[in-house]
Amino acid sequence: AQSVTQPDIHITVSEGASLELRCNYSYGATPYLFWYVQSPGQGLQLLLKYFSGDTLVQGIKGFEAEFKRSQSSFNLRKPSVHWSDAAEYFCAVGEKGGGADGLTFGKGTHLIIQP
Amino acid sequence: NAGVTQTPKFQVLKTGQSMTLQCAQDMNHNSMYWYRQDPGMGLRLIYYSASEGTTDKGEVPNGYNVSRLNKREFSLRLESAAPSQTSVYFCASSAIGTPNGYTFGSGTRLTVV
Repeated sequence: AQSVTQPDIHITVSEGASLELRCNYSYGATPYLFWYVQSPGQGLQLLLKYFSGDTLVQGIKGFEAEFKRSQSSFNLRKPSVHWSDAAEYFCAVGEKGGGADGLTFGKGTHLIIQP
Repeated sequence: NAGVTQTPKFQVLKTGQSMTLQCAQDMNHNSMYWYRQDPGMGLRLIYYSASEGTTDKGEVPNGYNVSRLNKREFSLRLESAAPSQTSVYFCASSAIGTPNGYTFGSGTRLTVV
C-alpha cells in the first residue's frame, strides 16, 4: 500500500531564511508526487507536481521540489520565506495515470514564520 | 470561476441526525473524491468515483454513503451522524489520464454534538 511520511509536524523559520520540508513516500510503481498548501480555513492549493523527466520541479510562489528515487523522497524547498508562507503543507502520492482511486496524503507540516 | 463548489460551508448536527454534503464541479472532470481532514491525521479518503456511474470505498468509508448524481455532482451522506464524524470534509475532482493533480473545494466544517 502506498504511504507518505512527513517527519516534521511543525517547523519554525525566520522570515527571509531558507526552507526545506521533508517528504518520504512508499509506492510500488512510478509515483505521481504533489505538494499542496493549505492556509487557515481554506481548501488545498496545488504548489507543484512531479510525474517524469527533470527531477527538480518548479512550482508557484517560488517553491521547488526535488524527486530522489533512491531515497524515496520529494522534499519541498524555498530559498527565502515570506510571512505569507505560514500555512500547512501536505505531500501526496498517487498512481500514474491520473490517480483515479485517490491521492494518499501525508499528515502535514505546519510552517510557522518568525519575524 | 471554474472549480469545485461545496455546500454547506458549516453545519452543526445532533447525534443521530442525517445530512447530505453537496459537491459540484464545472471542469468536466471524470473523477471525484471525498476526503475528511482531522488534526494530526492529514486527509483521508472516504469514497471516490472514478467516473460517472461508479463509486468505490476509500480508506475510511464506515458511516458514509455517496451518490454520483451525474458527471458534475458527487454527494456524501451521513445517515446517522456520530461525534466521531466531526471533521472538515473536502471534495475534489480530477481528470483521468491528465496528471494535473486534484482541484479541491473550500471544505465543509461539520460538528456533531
